[in-house]
Amino acid sequence: AQKVTQAQTEISVVEKEDVTLDCVYETRDTTYYLFWYKQPPSGELVFLIRRNSFDEQNEISGRYSWNFQKSTSSFNFTITASQVVDSAVYFCALSEALVYAGNMLTFGGGTRLMVKP
Amino acid sequence: DVKVTQSSRYLVKRTGEKVFLECVQDMDHENMFWYRQDPGLGLRLIYFSYDVKMKEKGDIPEGYSVSREKKERFSLILESASTNQTSMYLCASSLHRGHQPQHFGDGTRLSIL
Repeated sequence: AQKVTQAQTEISVVEKEDVTLDCVYETRDTTYYLFWYKQPPSGELVFLIRRNSFDEQNEISGRYSWNFQKSTSSFNFTITASQVVDSAVYFCALSEALVYAGNMLTFGGGTRLMVKP
Repeated sequence: DVKVTQSSRYLVKRTGEKVFLECVQDMDHENMFWYRQDPGLGLRLIYFSYDVKMKEKGDIPEGYSVSREKKERFSLILESASTNQTSMYLCASSLHRGHQPQHFGDGTRLSIL
């Protein structure tokens, strides 16, 4: 069965620090998708990125970057020069390529990031 | 932009009541999902639906049922509410193919007294 582990339950940093959120996953499927979502205090989960298992290139989007390593089953998320607005709960999620299941997601427990001014 | 709307942000009910949580999406998505979110446990899937009148159990369906009579609407029903169903409930929708991202509503914080 699939599983996603976010070992860091809470991280606190000072503004402008870099911070990395860890995500480790387990799956028997060779084809799968990994996601990161952000949940600000307002409550709505906001989609950040999707990566499929065949694409191990790192991705950068502004201050956000993602490091996907199949060898260690990890999909880590780094925020460079953090800002107070980055304070949120971040979820990593996994979707296996099961046809009937559409795109069911298995979520990690989430990491609460607090960025202090 | 995709809009997923949940009928209530906050809801307080009593033990034993039948509770309905409603979710509507406006992007003609085939898939719809109900999750509950509890601290430290992330989001856990209760039920999902990939078409009208179709439903599949998720990881924690006990004590819940769902209804999907129209494509845009997916209802979660607590047949006889209990205190251990106090939680944040999140609805989501997505296209069926291609493992597209799920789009979430704002959530309903449900308290069962």
